[in-house]
Amino acid sequence: QVQLVESGGGVVQPGRSLRLSCAGSGFTFNNYAMHWVRQTPGGGLEWVGVIWYDGSQKKYVESVKGRFTISRDNSKNMLVLQMNGLRVEDTGLYYCARDPATSPRFGYFDLWGRGTRVTVSS
Amino acid sequence: QSVLTQPPSVSGTPGQRVTISCSGSNSDIGPNTVNWYQQLPGMAPKLIIFRNSQRPSGVPDRFSGSKSGTSASLAISGLRSEDEADYFCAAWDDSLSGRVIFGGGTKVTVL
Repeated sequence: QVQLVESGGGVVQPGRSLRLSCAGSGFTFNNYAMHWVRQTPGGGLEWVGVIWYDGSQKKYVESVKGRFTISRDNSKNMLVLQMNGLRVEDTGLYYCARDPATSPRFGYFDLWGRGTRVTVSS
Repeated sequence: QSVLTQPPSVSGTPGQRVTISCSGSNSDIGPNTVNWYQQLPGMAPKLIIFRNSQRPSGVPDRFSGSKSGTSASLAISGLRSEDEADYFCAAWDDSLSGRVIFGGGTKVTVL
């Protein structure tokens, strides 16, 4: 079954860290760029970042640069989002999503996970 | 604040045709293609239109997309109750070293 499954969400205090994981199965994981997208409590979608199929390049939204790091382990079909210095505004439902290409040339997502919820609150 | 502009809501009766607009700029929709996602209540978003007008396998041909200049639109013809959902447009934005941007989403209500 082709799927993505996120894990690692939770409730954390501002300034703390959290590590999200996304396990891919049913497809050749290392053939695809992978993204993280979050959905705010208000319902909007915000792109967080992308990693190329081989991990050679990464891009991030400005608001998380220097705080979040995307990585992948293709031997384990795993995508990771390391989130440091969390802020209240990072609260949301975090999805991992597959890009149909090896790099985000067109920037769209043909497969989404169900998401993992992150709440940043004191 | 979303960079792409969509109407917050549209509504229609079963069988009607509704359209959702998505307005951008010369750094996003202008030079790049537009993609559309449907989000049913409690579910993850699902790709329904990519590269302006292409439908993934399994998406009914009632859904169609188009783009002109710095704007795009999604049309749903023969509206059905199961089409009631949130719809988001998205595009690659060449500014700020590259990123994906979304519209704020449009709630489609079937009356």
